[in-house]
Amino acid sequence: GAGVSQTPSNKVTEKGKYVELRCDPISGHTALYWYRQSLGQGPEFLIYFQGTGAADDSGLPNDRFFAVRPEGSVSTLKIQRTERGDSAVYLCASSLGLAGNTEAFFGQGTRLTVV
Amino acid sequence: AQKVTQAQTEISVVEKEDVTLDCVYETRDTTYYLFWYKQPPSGELVFLIRRNSFDEQNEISGRYSWNFQKSTSSFNFTITASQVVDSAVYFCALEGSARQLTFGSGTQLTVLP
Repeated sequence: GAGVSQTPSNKVTEKGKYVELRCDPISGHTALYWYRQSLGQGPEFLIYFQGTGAADDSGLPNDRFFAVRPEGSVSTLKIQRTERGDSAVYLCASSLGLAGNTEAFFGQGTRLTVV
Repeated sequence: AQKVTQAQTEISVVEKEDVTLDCVYETRDTTYYLFWYKQPPSGELVFLIRRNSFDEQNEISGRYSWNFQKSTSSFNFTITASQVVDSAVYFCALEGSARQLTFGSGTQLTVLP
């Protein structure tokens, strides 16, 4: 597709359940980022992939959060034992992977609600 | 550690007025990049501009202009002759040596007809 695609657009889950959020980046973009945006706040960095490997996962809040990108394209953010505090919009972005030399294109996000 | 401050939480103007959105940043990196993004109600972040730390030239793009002042660590954004379609949340962001964006908390701009 032309842009970054995220599915699902909305996800409601019960506390304690496991969820997977998918991101399909722009074709040819080697860098992929996950951010989390709470209501009224700016996005906060979670993890950055360069190719298949997680180059920086320092933003993941705890070990319930995990992300993969096995073939260097699609990425999945996985959250175990969800908590109500995990409710937020999860944004994915991709770029050509050159430091600051190209903009990151964002998807429309997945709104996660934990009830 | 990096920090981006957008002190203006909400701004409301009447159409055709000029408006400036403030952004102040902190970083220890000598090479860094500054960005502005627009987030309309649809939620998708739309890239507006990228500026590297070595280029302090101001930039104009149509009704948009940006003023980068390294001496005051500021990267302000001005919309001239605002329009209702400019209504959105605007985020300033910083990328330093770590390949991640640090965002400010955003400024909600409302342009009234």
